[in-house]
Amino acid sequence: QKEVEQDPGPLSVPEGAIVSLNCTYSNSAFQYFMWYRQYSRKGPELLMYTYSSGNKEDGRFTAQVDKSSKYISLFIRDSQPSDSATYLCAMSLTGANSKLTFGKGITLSVRP
Amino acid sequence: DTEVTQTPKHLVMGMTNKKSLKCEQHMGHRAMYWYKQKAKKPPELMFVYSYEKLSINESVPSRFSPECPNSSLLNLHLHALQPEDSALYLCASSQVGLGGGRNNEQFFGPGTRLTVL
Repeated sequence: QKEVEQDPGPLSVPEGAIVSLNCTYSNSAFQYFMWYRQYSRKGPELLMYTYSSGNKEDGRFTAQVDKSSKYISLFIRDSQPSDSATYLCAMSLTGANSKLTFGKGITLSVRP
Repeated sequence: DTEVTQTPKHLVMGMTNKKSLKCEQHMGHRAMYWYKQKAKKPPELMFVYSYEKLSINESVPSRFSPECPNSSLLNLHLHALQPEDSALYLCASSQVGLGGGRNNEQFFGPGTRLTVL
């Protein structure tokens, strides 16, 4: 079992839809959870950063972490064509030398 | 300035060439990273510099040689690469070295797309 599993996609939705992106993980020691957005041929851009369990909202984006289920989600409300990109979940331990462990990424296409 | 810049954007090289990738940040970050990303795959960590010292080498072949001349600059020297080394090479930086916490937010550059013929 991989440390971080992410739905492979791709995912195609109409403009205005609510999008739910999910990752599961096996290492219960992960404490920090991130979502990156990567446009084609660009570097990843940090979207959301969450510590431990709970929700975090930023505009149309909401990140959820459920440590008891080892499950994280990113919700995108009122999706726009400009949200079309690859979304990568990532997580890290706490303490020194904690590397980012990435999911494989899911490609989202929002149709006008 | 919240940018990580990388040059060149594209690089084509033969297997006998020597070339270098450059990365620069002016955010005062003290940790810098090199990642390799193949198509439709997540980034793979190669090297980490913390306070200008190499702190992590993820068993990367010696044909890749990192260098951190100062806290703002990171180079990756390439020599005798193989076609399978063709990939997007990403540089990232964070406020402090790896260790979790908000200060471990990594900011990525746009990458250098490398093709080895």
